[in-house]
Amino acid sequence: DAKTTQPPSMDCAEGRAANLPCNHSTISGNEYVYWYRQIHSQGPQYIIHGLKNNETNEMASLIITEDRKSSTLILPHATLRDTAVYYCIVKQNTGNQFYFGTGTSLTVIP
Amino acid sequence: GAVVSQHPSRVICKSGTSVKIECRSLDFQATTMFWYRQFPKKSLMLMATSNEGSKATYEQGVEKDKFLINHASLTLSTLTVTSAHPEDSSFYICSAIGAGNEQFFGPGTRLTVL
Repeated sequence: DAKTTQPPSMDCAEGRAANLPCNHSTISGNEYVYWYRQIHSQGPQYIIHGLKNNETNEMASLIITEDRKSSTLILPHATLRDTAVYYCIVKQNTGNQFYFGTGTSLTVIP
Repeated sequence: GAVVSQHPSRVICKSGTSVKIECRSLDFQATTMFWYRQFPKKSLMLMATSNEGSKATYEQGVEKDKFLINHASLTLSTLTVTSAHPEDSSFYICSAIGAGNEQFFGPGTRLTVL
């Protein structure tokens, strides 16, 4: 079962930062938080993942709270091509399976 | 990043026929692949874990005789939907585990059963 909850939808103005929250209050000590996104009718695309520390790559930043019960994905300068469904996934440490939650549908508005 | 392909990208078949979907890891070897299905406006649902050289592990509620999985090589897993019915119409997506433990997804296969 998915261990995450996300708001169903969000809007963001083009060029502004998009901050997508995720709650994972039952996360275990060595379970990672992964973020993927899915553009309509395509396979999910990897964005970023982290364990405890904040992470940044060329696509986004991931901020994980100190208690690890929630995280925020930040797209620093959203573009129209960032319109997609964003999934926050807790990867359980007993295997490599991903159990997707409902995700957040992000719409970037011109 | 690593590339995973699926074939076909879309297929239309008659009710009662069987359909095979291929998932390939193009530039890496994958001992483990996964199969998902996704209904319109819904999230991905994990169907099964495909293990090279051994039987697939199915998630609860997924019929193993309905959805046959074969992982005969380190770069190929196949999903066969047997005796397909309209309710099997869905978007089927595979993924593969890369060397860094990242999961790479294929582009998906749209199955429509008439």
